[in-house]
Order: sequence, then C-alpha cells, then structure tokens
Amino acid sequence: EIVMTQFPATLSVSPGERATLSCRASQSINSFLAWYQQKPGQAPRLLMYAVSTRATGIPARFSGSGFGTEFTLTISSLQSEDFAVYYCQQYSLWPRTFGQGTKVEIK
Amino acid sequence: EVQLLESGGGLVQPGGSLRLSCAASGFSFSNFAMSWVRQAPGKGLEWVSPIGSSGGGTFYADSVKGRFTVSRDNSKNTLYLEMNSLRVEDTAVYYCAKEGTSYYAEHWGQGTLVTVSA
Repeated sequence: EIVMTQFPATLSVSPGERATLSCRASQSINSFLAWYQQKPGQAPRLLMYAVSTRATGIPARFSGSGFGTEFTLTISSLQSEDFAVYYCQQYSLWPRTFGQGTKVEIK
Repeated sequence: EVQLLESGGGLVQPGGSLRLSCAASGFSFSNFAMSWVRQAPGKGLEWVSPIGSSGGGTFYADSVKGRFTVSRDNSKNTLYLEMNSLRVEDTAVYYCAKEGTSYYAEHWGQGTLVTVSA
C-alpha cells in the first residue's frame, strides 16, 4: 500500500497570505495525485487532479505542483472560505489512499 | 447538475447487515465508474470500493474484503453497498462518489451515517 504523508498537520495563516501544503508518497505515483477540500459537516470537494489540473469551478488561487513522490498545493491568497481540511489522494495503485489531512486555520 | 443521494444508513448491532444506496442524477450514470468512500468520526478518508461503469472492475479495501459487496443497477441509476458482518470499526459516514476521467472522486454525495454499536 502506498502511504501518503501530509505536512504540516495544521497550518495557521492570516487571510490574504499564501499557504503551502505538502504531500509525500511512499513510492512514486507519477502524476496520479488529487487534492480535496473538506469543511466541517460537509462532504469533500475535488480541487485538483493530475497534480495541477483544477476541477470545475475551482478558483485560480489554487495551484498544484510536483511529480513522483513530492507534491504541493498552494493557495496564493487565502480567503475566508478556504479555511478547511485538505487531503491529498493517490490513484496510481489500488488501494487508493489519502493523506491524513492538513487543517488550514485562521491565524 | 450532478446529484448523488445516499440512503440506508442507521444504527446496527455488531454482526448485523445494512444495504446502502446512492441515487444518481444529472449525468449519464452508465458511462462512469463509481465508488464508496468512508470517514470514521473525526478521522480521515478511506476508499472502500470502486466499481466500473458496467459493473466490473470492483476492488475492496482490505478492511472490508469478504464482508462488503459493491454493485450497481444502471437501469435505475443507482449504486449499492451491501455490508455484512458489520464491526464497530465500520462506524463512519459513507460517501458515494462519481469518478472523473481517472481514479479520483469528481463529485460526492452528502453521505450517510452508519453506526455499529451494541
């Protein structure tokens, strides 16, 4: 099983600042990586797939990068609606696995 | 607009059974793979089981293999998850998801809570 590790576990950021979230795979997953956002009491929402392709309706302040084992989700200027938990997910091999999540909270 | 509506969750005793359903609308159901993903209270996400567009291509997480069965009825635009021999650790919100062009969850339902407790 491919283990996905996200860091930091919690990121404290002020509105308008940049947030950088990291995700590491235990073995190469090429570009088979997705990112999701989840707010309390809601289902996850797809943000990004194939590392850097934004899902429908996702604003341009979200961007993704990386290849192989190291990946990054960047939120260029945090808005109030961006405070949430973010998960990365690999879909290179079954079982598809998620990271444990990074909580982005208001500083 | 894609809509996924799960039902069938509830309280069940250990060793019991439940069948979850997911009614899909707003897209051509028979053309897309679907999945079940779960989230235990206060925990992260676990991919339980995907199924291909025609009903093949099923996989199961080790934690549910031999106990859960995923299926679909394309004539009814409905996805199912048959859960047997339920354990306390199966307690979670179960989400139905429509897959995208690859093996990621493009759209999610609102989830249905399964509680396994004596």
